[in-house]
Amino acid sequence: DAGVIQSPRHEVTEMGQEVTLRCKPISGHDYLFWYRQTMMRGLELLIYFNNNVPIDDSGMPEDRFSAKMPNASFSTLKIQPSEPRDSAVYFCAIALGSSNEQYFGPGTRLTVT
Amino acid sequence: AQKITQTQPGMFVQEKEAVTLDCTYDTSDQSYGLFWYKQPSSGEMIFLIYQGSYDEQNATEGRYSLNFQKARKSANLVISASQLGDSAMYFCAMRDGYGGATNKLIFGTGTLLAVQP
Repeated sequence: DAGVIQSPRHEVTEMGQEVTLRCKPISGHDYLFWYRQTMMRGLELLIYFNNNVPIDDSGMPEDRFSAKMPNASFSTLKIQPSEPRDSAVYFCAIALGSSNEQYFGPGTRLTVT
Repeated sequence: AQKITQTQPGMFVQEKEAVTLDCTYDTSDQSYGLFWYKQPSSGEMIFLIYQGSYDEQNATEGRYSLNFQKARKSANLVISASQLGDSAMYFCAMRDGYGGATNKLIFGTGTLLAVQP
């Protein structure tokens, strides 16, 4: 079964601080996606990778956001500096090229005060 | 531009009855995929069912079926014999392309389903 570990599960930080969210796929995949969920905007794709290469980052809201995938087993989403409007649940999801399913991680709930 | 519309913010259904959650989509592509996800109060996103635009049969997965009407651009989710555990938010989503997972998902705003005993 496909699976995704995300850490931390909850993060509370002050405005202006750097935040790093982590995603660790625990099974084979070709694609990795970062989504953000808010009450106002719903679920939005931020960026996705294919074989560790960023393919589409058009959903990244601004330069404060950056994502990396140094290897197939690890990805990070960094916000620097963080702002209260970044408060959301951030999901990492993975998929195999031959599959029609995207498997979501449990999400990281970020609160920026 | 692609768009997914879920017009029902909330729905109630009695336990053991069937319920239909509406989803319409807009795309100029001929090849696309349609998905339904369940998000319980615990927050995780659970894949339920998939329909490809060229699939001739409606998709079914256990108690879930997708009523795909291509001409009307609708992809409604039908849950048969509702259970209390079905209470959750349900999201309809669409992806460019047919088969595989090469492109991003665009999500609707969701429908909150409450199953009453």
